[in-house]
Amino acid sequence: DQQVKQNSPSLSVQEGRISILNCDYTNSMFDYFLWYKKYPAEGPTFLISISSIKDKNEDGRFTVFLNKSAKHLSLHIVPSQPGDSAVYFCAASRRDAGNMLTFGGGTRLMVKP
Amino acid sequence: NAGVTQTPKFRVLKTGQSMTLLCAQDMNHEYMYWYRQDPGMGLRLIHYSVGEGTTAKGEVPDGYNVSRLKKQNFLLGLESAAPSQTSVYFCASSFPGPPSSYNEQFFGPGTRLTVL
Repeated sequence: DQQVKQNSPSLSVQEGRISILNCDYTNSMFDYFLWYKKYPAEGPTFLISISSIKDKNEDGRFTVFLNKSAKHLSLHIVPSQPGDSAVYFCAASRRDAGNMLTFGGGTRLMVKP
Repeated sequence: NAGVTQTPKFRVLKTGQSMTLLCAQDMNHEYMYWYRQDPGMGLRLIHYSVGEGTTAKGEVPDGYNVSRLKKQNFLLGLESAAPSQTSVYFCASSFPGPPSSYNEQFFGPGTRLTVL
């Protein structure tokens, strides 16, 4: 039973438009959420994160929104650029459970020029 | 700094063979992790270590063993490989404490393993 789910395996967006990647979780004990970006033949790299005490965190073109009541978070990329084309993983952690990360299945984002 | 490196990059095994994947980090990180990535499943934690000489089980530990004899190295062993262990394996490392924007896990480039 996956505790973190990314229901869209892929997303295609035009350059300059907004990309919205979604993530749902089932475990209400998760208290920290992270997004990782992965290019082919490379390991994931950290992108942005949010604590459960916040509902929004912004870093340049990237914003993560957290809706705790809906157990849902989203990553917004504005404006999208071709270099953003990658697989994006949502991950969650619980500080009372060894700080391990639980990952979603990933969403492949394709930004068309 | 090389960051996190993994050896080998690719490997093909026959069912029943054994092998060891090597992970090395030069960032003086206390924590190290082994994940596997399967299509649609994201990354799942196999084993992890919070310091030299210590290891612990993750979400999917069966069929794997690990050792952390030196702080900078974390070895993942498959004693008797099975086709279900065909996957991409990622090693990661971090400083102690919960993951955050100040304490991210740094990942290696991965090892693609095929078991026939």
